[in-house]
Amino acid sequence: RKEVEQDPGPFNVPEGATVAFNCTYSNSASQSFFWYRQDCRKEPKLLMSVYSSGNEDGRFTAQLNRASQYISLLIRDSKLSDSATYLCVVRDNNNDMRFGAGTRLTVKP
Amino acid sequence: NAGVTQTPKFRILKIGQSMTLQCTQDMNHNYMYWYRQDPGMGLKLIYYSVGAGITDKGEVPNGYNVSRSTTEDFPLRLELAAPSQTSVYFCASSYRGDRGFFGPGTRLTVL
Repeated sequence: RKEVEQDPGPFNVPEGATVAFNCTYSNSASQSFFWYRQDCRKEPKLLMSVYSSGNEDGRFTAQLNRASQYISLLIRDSKLSDSATYLCVVRDNNNDMRFGAGTRLTVKP
Repeated sequence: NAGVTQTPKFRILKIGQSMTLQCTQDMNHNYMYWYRQDPGMGLKLIYYSVGAGITDKGEVPNGYNVSRSTTEDFPLRLELAAPSQTSVYFCASSYRGDRGFFGPGTRLTVL
């Protein structure tokens, strides 16, 4: 089983749609959780951290379920500029950051 | 702050050649990481360091070596390059393992 698993997609959605990405992780001792965004041929950039109580940043909502070892990202009112690959990242108790393979999103007019 | 810088941006190597990928950060982060990303795939951790003088293997360390003599620098050494090492290499740094900041990447082709 991979340490961090994501649905690879691709997700193709119209502008204004709501889309959700899921991620599961295998190490129950994992400490921190993040969603990164990666544009084509660019480096990953932090989108948001994921907190136990869930957190929201504008149109983006992240949730964590430690019991199920599951993380989610919800994007509301999708924009064309949201088109990218979304990476789930888990920091374990050894302090290394492990990445999921990413979920590709394309938002169409 | 320049953040995380990587050199070179592109490189073509012949099989069996060696090279060092440079990574420098000016944020005084103690944690640094090297990842590789193959086309259409996620990032795989090669090596990481939690501070000067300390390095640890990640998921895919074979064929690579690292050193961390200063807080700022974390070079990645490829000995005897192989076609399987054709990839994009990203260096990242973070403060105590929190959010990571990435460099722009080095695109390496081994022919």
